[in-house]
Amino acid sequence: QVQLVQSGAEVKKPGASVRLSCKASGYIFITYGVSWLRQAPGQGPEWMGWISAYSGDRQYAQKFLGRMTVTTDISTSTAYMELRSLTSDDTGTYFCARDSGATGLTWGQGTPVIVSS
Amino acid sequence: DIVMTQTPLSLPVTPGEPASISCRSSESLLHTDDGDTYLDWYFQKPGQSPQLLIYTLSYRASGVPDRFSGSGTGTAFTLNISRVEAEDFGLYYCMQRIDFPYTFGQGTKLENK
Repeated sequence: QVQLVQSGAEVKKPGASVRLSCKASGYIFITYGVSWLRQAPGQGPEWMGWISAYSGDRQYAQKFLGRMTVTTDISTSTAYMELRSLTSDDTGTYFCARDSGATGLTWGQGTPVIVSS
Repeated sequence: DIVMTQTPLSLPVTPGEPASISCRSSESLLHTDDGDTYLDWYFQKPGQSPQLLIYTLSYRASGVPDRFSGSGTGTAFTLNISRVEAEDFGLYYCMQRIDFPYTFGQGTKLENK
């Protein structure tokens, strides 16, 4: 079955960067995109960005432009998300999701990220 | 950005009774090229990741019970649960994916009355 297994929890200081991974299995990786989303404590989900595993095309939410990079490694069916210049507002759980234009998002288990001095 | 508005934010329901959640979008989610409406419904329990319930307006995701149904027009949408079961209590979100950035409704908390 479709699985997206994300990397473990991270604790970072303000100003640092974080790089999260998302390993996909159970489907042909290059035939779907991957969206990245996050959820602050007690809040709803927020979409951050997307990458086509086939073409490498990318889309970012305006608020993350210049601070976020999404990539994929087709050889290992893994997607990566790097977020730079972290602040306490970036504390939350980060999700990757298989993104099918036709059939919605299938989410990974999430990676907690804490930004604290 | 497309604004998604969900109502109600809290919905107390007795198990066995029906439930209905509404969602509105600030722009039409009907894609004129393919005729599909790009509105999904997700369900989330505390400490878990959201799971897909309904995609593209009215299609149930794999494994989703048939007591869940989605309907609507280009800007007004409804998630119906015919008979609420104990496992259905939690948060429900609508999300549009006709255009980037994808945007979510505020969420509706389905609670045991």
